[in-house]
Amino acid sequence: DTAVSQTPKYLVTQMGNDKSIKCEQNLGHDTMYWYKQDSKKFLKIMFSYNNKELIINETVPNRFSPKSPDKAHLNLHINSLELGDSAVYFCASSQDRGSWDYGYTFGSGTRLTVV
Amino acid sequence: DAKTTQPPSMDCAEGRAANLPCNHSTISGNEYVYWYRQIHSQGPQYIIHGLKNNETNEMASLIITEDRKSSTLILPHATLRDTAVYYCIVAGNTGKLIFGQGTTLQVKP
Repeated sequence: DTAVSQTPKYLVTQMGNDKSIKCEQNLGHDTMYWYKQDSKKFLKIMFSYNNKELIINETVPNRFSPKSPDKAHLNLHINSLELGDSAVYFCASSQDRGSWDYGYTFGSGTRLTVV
Repeated sequence: DAKTTQPPSMDCAEGRAANLPCNHSTISGNEYVYWYRQIHSQGPQYIIHGLKNNETNEMASLIITEDRKSSTLILPHATLRDTAVYYCIVAGNTGKLIFGQGTTLQVKP
């Protein structure tokens, strides 16, 4: 059973398109996150939701919009895709905001390529 | 910005202990030290974390200095599968893990 699953695994799309990445966790965690890993391999947090409430919103272009229909799902919608959006996007979840006991569980990533 | 400093790369012989250092001189009293690793393009994997005391689990040991300004992750018997980027992260209760550049550990046969 996959704890944090993301779909799709690979996404190739043209500039200007709108796309969504889905994330689901079956761990019963309360908090979910989106991270972006760019070509230089830096991992940066983008958003975090706790029980469907947005709690972290880093400096991210407003073309990126997270949506959490319930605490087990956190989707990422990207409008008007740009070349610079090409990256690997990781979803993660944790039991609580600070995740003292077990840390974050990350998904396997979605490699987005904008051409 | 990351609040930790790690060497960019290290080598370790297979079967030997890998000791990965981390400096976090500005750590606050309520902040934990976390270690994660990322094996080639996979999602980061939680290894261990601690506040003040040394910690051990099935994957590794974490040694935190008494002043908490530095720590060492120990993989007791490194295998080729331990080749990865290891991230040392200091975080409080904001729920925000800030990843630095990490240490690329190469385990060699």
